[in-house]
Amino acid sequence: QVQLVQSGAEVRKPGASVKVSCKASGFTFTGYYFYWLRQAPGQGLEWMGWLNPNSGATHYAQKFQGRVTMTRDTSITTVYMELDKLKSDDTAVYYCASSLVVDAFDFWGQGTLVTVSS
Amino acid sequence: QSMLTQPPSASGTPGQRVTISCSGSSSNIGTYSVAWYQQVPGTAPKLLISSNDQRPSGVPDRFSGSKSGTSASLAISGLQSEDEAKYFCATCDDSLNGDWVFGGGTKLTVL
Repeated sequence: QVQLVQSGAEVRKPGASVKVSCKASGFTFTGYYFYWLRQAPGQGLEWMGWLNPNSGATHYAQKFQGRVTMTRDTSITTVYMELDKLKSDDTAVYYCASSLVVDAFDFWGQGTLVTVSS
Repeated sequence: QSMLTQPPSASGTPGQRVTISCSGSSSNIGTYSVAWYQQVPGTAPKLLISSNDQRPSGVPDRFSGSKSGTSASLAISGLQSEDEAKYFCATCDDSLNGDWVFGGGTKLTVL
């Protein structure tokens, strides 16, 4: 079955970077885009960008341009999201998701809590 | 401030029908189709409705979506206690080059 399994919780200091992974299984890895979204505590969802795992092409939301990098390793069917220059308001649960059946986010990872604190 | 406006809360009793609204503009809902997500605390969002009114496989037909102009709605009929969750609407927006935007979410309480 389709699974997106993310890496575990992280704690970082302001100014540091974090890299979150998302391992995909149960479908053709290079056939579908991957998306990253985040949710600050008690807040709504925020879309960060997409990655085409076939070509490696990316598109980032304007808010995150210059600070986020999305990459993939096709040999292990894993995508990554790295966020630099962390601030306290980057504290959030980060999700990877994909659109396998419909034009919406129909499969999600379990989420990774990133805490930014001095 | 979200580009899509949802009421912060809604409530109903078991068996009732409730509706959650999502208000946008010509650059988002007026142009693109709407999706709805259900999120139980501590879990990832789950897709309920895509393309305004399409239910993915496995979603009960108690859930239905609609869109008119620059607004969309999610209706839940035959309300059940397990429907208590937060609901988000989502679509794309031309002012953000087609990037996805979400509503702030509506917390549904089953009384």
